[in-house]
Amino acid sequence: GESVGLHLPTLSVQEGDNSIINCAYSNSASDYFIWYKQESGKGPQFIIDIRSNMDKRQGQRVTVLLNKTVKHLSLQIAATQPGDSAVYFCAEIETGGGADGLTFGKGTHLIIQP
Amino acid sequence: KAGVTQTPRYLIKTRGQQVTLSCSPISGHRSVSWYQQTPGQGLQFLFEYFSETQRNKGNFPGRFSGRQFSNSRSEMNVSTLELGDSALYLCASSSGPSGFSGNTIYFGEGSWLTVV
Repeated sequence: GESVGLHLPTLSVQEGDNSIINCAYSNSASDYFIWYKQESGKGPQFIIDIRSNMDKRQGQRVTVLLNKTVKHLSLQIAATQPGDSAVYFCAEIETGGGADGLTFGKGTHLIIQP
Repeated sequence: KAGVTQTPRYLIKTRGQQVTLSCSPISGHRSVSWYQQTPGQGLQFLFEYFSETQRNKGNFPGRFSGRQFSNSRSEMNVSTLELGDSALYLCASSSGPSGFSGNTIYFGEGSWLTVV
């Protein structure tokens, strides 16, 4: 797999490798986090979410890790496939009624090399 | 179950005109949020409606407005269009108010607005 810095506009990985996309969030009061995948010309597609009472959550080929101490979120994609090529966004929100919608990170463009 | 549906998908308007975009949320969802996506600013929150009431609003001028109908469908309107309003406008729906525990937020495919 390949680990990237906190924000890397583009991440290129070989097909079949694992990829890790990182995200630093800004609001220490945020307690709900979502990863979205956006393919060219389409809207963001929900991948996986995690609440602040957890530090890890697994889905199908994806795992999200949350480190509240350093306000860091990561998305791990196992055995990447060509269809994983997209821009990945993390989003945060402080639940409880006062938040002005989701706050999105700038996104990481994941490129899968054959 | 159908996803979030937005219409129109593409449109071109002239500066000074106004535009209305429509969103039909997932069946049973009562919360609709709108976001603007541009290459420079990324995804930014516009406003959210729940049960026909605007819950909160992002940092956008008053030219941007919206409403929600009793069937949860929503429209957003931009008046006096400026070149900088060119963007992808995204609608998102959830069963309850955005961010409340258990309310996953799903997006539509968006409406591409070009202002010339």
